[in-house]
Amino acid sequence: DSGVTQTPKHLITATGQRVTLRCSPRSGDLSVYWYQQSLDQGLQFLIQYYNGEERAKGNILERFSAQQFPDLHSELNLSSLELGDSALYFCASSGSQGGFFGYTFGSGTRLTVV
Amino acid sequence: LAKTTQPISMDSYEGQEVNITCSHNNIATNDYITWYQQFPSQGPRFIIQGYKTKVTNEVASLFIPADRKSSTLSLPRVSLSDTAVYYCLVGDGSGYSTLTFGKGTMLLVSP
Repeated sequence: DSGVTQTPKHLITATGQRVTLRCSPRSGDLSVYWYQQSLDQGLQFLIQYYNGEERAKGNILERFSAQQFPDLHSELNLSSLELGDSALYFCASSGSQGGFFGYTFGSGTRLTVV
Repeated sequence: LAKTTQPISMDSYEGQEVNITCSHNNIATNDYITWYQQFPSQGPRFIIQGYKTKVTNEVASLFIPADRKSSTLSLPRVSLSDTAVYYCLVGDGSGYSTLTFGKGTMLLVSP
């Protein structure tokens, strides 16, 4: 157990739907990062939050959004889902504002859009 | 961000030492070198991090030459369970950068 908890582990939904992925960071970590991993794209950085505020944005689609709550858990919202959104979504946390001290990843949420 | 280049795949046998080299010609003064390991359908796991010379922990060693334009991850006496993808990343040591993962090196360990 890495200390980063992601729910649900698996999600199957239809095109056009909206889903919410949840992440609880490791105790004490203020930064949360979201990554998408698909077979053809590898690990793609989506977005980072630090202590409730958006810190950095990567290749995140406009249909996707995220937030970090006061208790530091984070949610990634995916809307108007397309078949191509099927992927593993990972959350990671770190104790700093960046990657210097290394990230701790969760076990991911596997999203299947049918 | 400094770009990294590493072999797409490597093969080895159980008990052998495996060295994976990563090239990062444009590494900046503040950049650190970090390696992650990822098993199928699992999140990447931090292995080791270094700035220069040699770093060793219970899992691996990291060798960084003086010019820091490359680094080598050394896995001693690999086992079947070391079969995974290994990522080399270079990041700003100031702590403000996010980590960008490349394609990594797929290491296959055979009996």
